Amino acid sequence: GNSVTQMEGPVTLSEEAFLTINCTYTATGYPSLFWYVQYPGEGLQLLLKATKADDKGSNKGFEATYRKETTSFHLEKGSVQVSDSAVYFCALIRNYGQNFVFGPGTRLSVLP
Amino acid sequence: EAGVAQSPRYKIIEKRQSVAFWCNPISGHATLYWYQQILGQGPKLLIQFQNNGVVDDSQLPKDRFSAERLKGVDSTLKIQPAKLEDSAVYLCASSSARRDGYEQYFGPGTRLTVT
Repeated sequence: GNSVTQMEGPVTLSEEAFLTINCTYTATGYPSLFWYVQYPGEGLQLLLKATKADDKGSNKGFEATYRKETTSFHLEKGSVQVSDSAVYFCALIRNYGQNFVFGPGTRLSVLP
Repeated sequence: EAGVAQSPRYKIIEKRQSVAFWCNPISGHATLYWYQQILGQGPKLLIQFQNNGVVDDSQLPKDRFSAERLKGVDSTLKIQPAKLEDSAVYLCASSSARRDGYEQYFGPGTRLTVT
């Protein structure tokens, strides 16, 4: 079946450090890939998405590239801020109408 | 545009009691999802509706959980009777492939504590 694996957290970084959160997936066909973010006390928000191989999603300084050859969708940001502290979820959907699969989440803490 | 609405935001019940959650999706969104998010884990899909029909309920514990989406708009999720392991945040989400591809919009969730 479809599944998503993320690097274990928590990840603790200093402000302005470089961030990478690894995400790999298992799915047949060509899934669409997503990163969702959950800030403390809030619901999940879409951060970025990519719907086909080699697409790059980007938002708020975050980027992720859909790599079909390595079945990966790693999240990166060049310079994190304290306000980026949150839990980040990688997710996929194989086809519209099929279920969404989330990874377990990676908690990021950014220290001033 | 109003977001996905859920109520209540918090609920505390004793085991073996019943509880119901309500969700109103974004206007025009045909697809509605209920997820269970246990502390420290990613959301797990319980049930997916397309309009008022069920698309996927393979992970719904049907002996105690039920959900309906009458008229294809708002939805209720019920647990009867509740167990301690049902303590979680219950998230509702909606999507419209026609407008936004596969993006799902989430409500704030209902935090359930079963004592």
